[in-house]
Amino acid sequence: DAGVTQSPTHLIKTRGQQVTLRCSPKSGHDTVSWYQQALGQGPQFIFQYYEEEERQRGNFPDRFSGHQYPNYSSELNVNALLLGDSALYLCASSFGGTNTGELFFGEGSRLTVL
Amino acid sequence: GENVEQHPSTLSVQEGDSAVIKCTYSDSASNYFPWYKQELGKRPQLIIDIRSNVGEKKDQRIAVTLNKTAKHFSLHITETQPEDSAVYFCAARRGYNKLIFGAGTRLAVHP
Repeated sequence: DAGVTQSPTHLIKTRGQQVTLRCSPKSGHDTVSWYQQALGQGPQFIFQYYEEEERQRGNFPDRFSGHQYPNYSSELNVNALLLGDSALYLCASSFGGTNTGELFFGEGSRLTVL
Repeated sequence: GENVEQHPSTLSVQEGDSAVIKCTYSDSASNYFPWYKQELGKRPQLIIDIRSNVGEKKDQRIAVTLNKTAKHFSLHITETQPEDSAVYFCAARRGYNKLIFGAGTRLAVHP
């Protein structure tokens, strides 16, 4: 049983560029949440997708957007990259039918913005 | 607002000693409190969790306590081993499985 998978694992971009990160949830999960983890800090909630719609959003600007597909996989898009966007981006999946249950994290995509 | 404070930021212990990490949350509606262990370059992994209707939970060398009135919860690791060395994060859940994380505690266990 595959866990949460993310791609790419590492990438380097320059300021002003756009990036797309991808996530496949754990089998049986239908909800995907995205977190940003800056170096030396705890993960910060970006947003959550359930039934192909954004259900909750954290305090992140509109440059951060996402999508969920019918197979529950998800994308995180960041436009107009800033140096401060450099971080580990973590995807977490869960079963969204109830407000319970463990979050399973992927290994993350490490983004470096130069 | 949503906030989870975690202390200490670093903790150094000798192998076999106990380690305690404390967290405070602000949102009284939080009902689930997981603890994650993150090794260098790896994903956060759940090590123990507690729900708001329980005061204490134990799993072998790891225990978590919750004081809802004071909005405090703590992680206790007994008989620490070098492989316990990692960064530990507490979190509080609100909304639909939205976790608010603490800033982390870097635990070093010295042989």
